[in-house]
Amino acid sequence: AQSVSQHNHHVILSEAASLELGCNYSYGGTVNLFWYVQYPGQHLQLLLKYFSGDPLVKGIKGFEAEFIKSKFSFNLRKPSVQWSDTAEYFCAVNSYNTDKLIFGTGTRLQVFP
Amino acid sequence: SQTIHQWPATLVQPVGSPLSLECTVEGTSNPNLYWYRQAAGRGLQLLFYSVGIGQISSEVPQNLSASRPQDRQFILSSKKLLLSDSGFYLCAWSPTSGSQETQYFGPGTRLLVL
Repeated sequence: AQSVSQHNHHVILSEAASLELGCNYSYGGTVNLFWYVQYPGQHLQLLLKYFSGDPLVKGIKGFEAEFIKSKFSFNLRKPSVQWSDTAEYFCAVNSYNTDKLIFGTGTRLQVFP
Repeated sequence: SQTIHQWPATLVQPVGSPLSLECTVEGTSNPNLYWYRQAAGRGLQLLFYSVGIGQISSEVPQNLSASRPQDRQFILSSKKLLLSDSGFYLCAWSPTSGSQETQYFGPGTRLLVL
């Protein structure tokens, strides 16, 4: 069965610090990979997604993620975080022939001014 | 543009009482529809998904059921709530064209069973 692991449950950073949130998945076939974000009081929304092509994917608000197939990883990065990036971040995966998303447990990011 | 609505926003129910949570989507036709439960530290767990009217797939054996009486309406129900049913329930939709589609989430319903 597919699974998604997010090892960082709670991350605390100061503004301008760099961010990397880990995401690993278990599935041997072709996958689609997603990062969703839930800002306080807002709907869960898509941050970025990878289907094929360039393994470095750029999303909204300066976020990017790199798909490393050999490591089954899809880590999320941002060079310089802002207070407004405080949110919960979820990694998700589905296999190529299914519409069902498998989510990780989420990482809560707190950014202090 | 498409919008997704859920109600109620918050619900407090006694153990053993019935449940009905509603989700509706506007601005699209024949969407895939999903019910998730979000629990602290446990991420989002897919409960049910539907690819069409009357077509429901259950992902996790549990005390809950789902129905899709209309194309853009998805209902989550229970005949008798358990304490363990407390949580944050999210409805989502996606276009039907395949696994690469983004899922769009509603505002959620926070359920507390006492």
